[in-house]
Amino acid sequence: AQSVTQPDIHITVSEGASLELRCNYSYGATPYLFWYVQSPGQGLQLLLKYFSGDTLVQGIKGFEAEFKRSQSSFNLRKPSVHWSDAAEYFCARSTNAGKSTFGDGTTLTVKP
Amino acid sequence: NAGVTQTPKFQVLKTGQSMTLQCAQDMNHEYMSWYRQDPGMGLRLIHYSVGAGITDQGEVPNGYNVSRSTTEDFPLRLLSAAPSQTSVYFCATGQGDYGYTFGSGTRLTVV
Repeated sequence: AQSVTQPDIHITVSEGASLELRCNYSYGATPYLFWYVQSPGQGLQLLLKYFSGDTLVQGIKGFEAEFKRSQSSFNLRKPSVHWSDAAEYFCARSTNAGKSTFGDGTTLTVKP
Repeated sequence: NAGVTQTPKFQVLKTGQSMTLQCAQDMNHEYMSWYRQDPGMGLRLIHYSVGAGITDQGEVPNGYNVSRSTTEDFPLRLLSAAPSQTSVYFCATGQGDYGYTFGSGTRLTVV
């Protein structure tokens, strides 16, 4: 069964510092990969997605992610974190039948 | 354009009671799914549908039923509520491989 692993349960960064959240996926022929963000008490919002082509994808709110097939990774990055980025982040993998598997999430805390 | 609407937002049930969580979308999306979210466990798929009249089980289907008679609606039924079903439930819709749009969730407590 396909799986998604987010190794970091909780990350703390200072405002203005760079951010990288890790995501690893189980082997599969054609990974459809996503990052979502969830603010407290809210549903999940799609940040970005990768299907094929350029391995560096740009998303909303200044986020980007890089797909590395050799490492089975799809890490999320942001050059300079803002206090409003504090939230929980989920990596997900989808089949082409609309069925997604989510990682357990990484909680981001931003220090002033 | 409301997107994905979940009702109710909060619910308290007694053990053994039944209820239906509603999910409605106005985006004409093919796919609809129900997830539950528990602390430290991410989102786990309960049931999903790839179109009207078609449903399938996800990772944790026991104790839940679904049906999809129209494109717009995908209700989730709890047959006999148990404390283990205390959770936050999210409905999500999608089209093709473009990622999901999520509802704002239903927080369910079973006492």
